[in-house]
Amino acid sequence: GQQVMQIPQYQHVQEGEDFTTYCNSSTTLSNIQWYKQRPGGHPVFLIQLVKSGEVKKQKRLTFQFGEAKKNSSLHITATQTTDVGTYFCAGPNTGFQKLVFGTGTRLLVSP
Amino acid sequence: SAVISQKPSRDICQRGTSLTIQCQVDSQVTMMFWYRQQPGQSLTLIATANQGSEATYESGFVIDKFPISRPNLTFSTLTVSNMSPEDSSIYLCSVEDLLVAGSQETQYFGPGTRLLVL
Repeated sequence: GQQVMQIPQYQHVQEGEDFTTYCNSSTTLSNIQWYKQRPGGHPVFLIQLVKSGEVKKQKRLTFQFGEAKKNSSLHITATQTTDVGTYFCAGPNTGFQKLVFGTGTRLLVSP
Repeated sequence: SAVISQKPSRDICQRGTSLTIQCQVDSQVTMMFWYRQQPGQSLTLIATANQGSEATYESGFVIDKFPISRPNLTFSTLTVSNMSPEDSSIYLCSVEDLLVAGSQETQYFGPGTRLLVL
C-alpha cells in the first residue's frame, strides 16, 4: 500500500536555529498537506500544496512540493519555542478519497 | 472551519470493557473519519462514517471491535469493544473541509479522546 515516510524522526534544536523535515511518498500525490500537532494536542492543518514544484510561505515556514509530486519539505527559519510539536505531511490515497499520514517529525526547541 | 467536540476527553478503563466515544460537529458534514494514534506514532484511519450507510473500515479494523454509528450529519460515535491494553491510544474524529472548488479536502480534527486500558 501507499507509504509516506518522513525524516528525521526527531530533531532537537536551539532556539534561532533552522529546521527542515522531509516527506517522501511511495506514489505520486495529487496534493500534499502539512499538519502540526502540539504536545497533548490534536493535528492542526497548516497548508496544502497542489502544483508540481510549488513553494508556499507562512511567516517563518516554507513549504515545497517536489517536481515529481512524490516529495515535500517544510523548512522553519529561526525556530522559536512555539514551534515545538510533531509535524506530519499527508497525501490522499489514490482513488480512495482518504488521507495517508506520514510518520511525523518531532521537533523540540530549547530556549 | 468546523468546530468539533469529543467526549470523553480521556478515560481509564479496565480490560474487557467497552467505551463509546462521541463526536459532535457544529455544522452538517457528509463524511466523518475516525483515527487512532498510538503513543508516539502517526495517525491511522480506522473507518469512514457516512450518514445513512454503514461505516467503511480500513484494513486491520473490523466492525465487531470498533462499531460506529452516524445517526445524522453532525454526530458520530465510535465504540472500542472488549478493550485490551493494546487499545490504549488517542482516538480522533475528523471532518473534511473543502478549501476551494476543485481542491482536495483537508481534515479538521476534534480534540481527541485519550484512552488508557489497564
